Amino acid sequence: GAGVSQTPSNKVTEKGKYVELRCDPISGHTALYWYRQSLGQGPEFLIYFQGTGAADDSGLPNDRFFAVRPEGSVSTLKIQRTERGDSAVYLCASSFLDSNEQFFGPGTRLTVL
Amino acid sequence: GQNIDQPTEMTATEGAIVQINCTYQTSGFNGLFWYQQHAGEAPTFLSYNVLDGLEEKGRFSSFLSRSKGYSYLLLKELQMKDSASYLCAVRDSNYQLIWGAGTKLIIKP
Repeated sequence: GAGVSQTPSNKVTEKGKYVELRCDPISGHTALYWYRQSLGQGPEFLIYFQGTGAADDSGLPNDRFFAVRPEGSVSTLKIQRTERGDSAVYLCASSFLDSNEQFFGPGTRLTVL
Repeated sequence: GQNIDQPTEMTATEGAIVQINCTYQTSGFNGLFWYQQHAGEAPTFLSYNVLDGLEEKGRFSSFLSRSKGYSYLLLKELQMKDSASYLCAVRDSNYQLIWGAGTKLIIKP
């Protein structure tokens, strides 16, 4: 595709459930980033992949959050035992390895009831 | 701690010029970025500064002073479509982006 795609666009779940959020980066982009953004705030860094490996996962808030990128392309962000405080827009971005410009997907709006 | 400060909201008139300021305190500095974000949409890249001075790109310019921990985004000949949030972000010593909360710019006819 032409840009970064994310699915689903919206996800409503109940407290305590497990969710998976998918990101399909721009073809050829080796760097992939996950952020989350709450209303009225800037994005908050979660994790960064170079290829298949998580080069920096220091932004993951706790061990309920995990992300994978097994083939160096599509990435999945996994959240276990969701809490109401996890409600936010989860943004994915990708870039060429040494590029200054990150291209963002449209985001997944997660609502935990 | 790391801190990016920018005004919460600004209002300007169509056709005018507006300057959005950003001050930062971060652990390390590897460049400053400005992104535009329309309501309900993803951020889109506007500019990148790593050296002091002014970078001009069409109607948008961005300035950086590393010694002052200060940047501004200058928007000229404002158009209604420029109504959006403008996010300042600094790449820190870990090469990750630390983001400000954004400045909501309202353009009035």
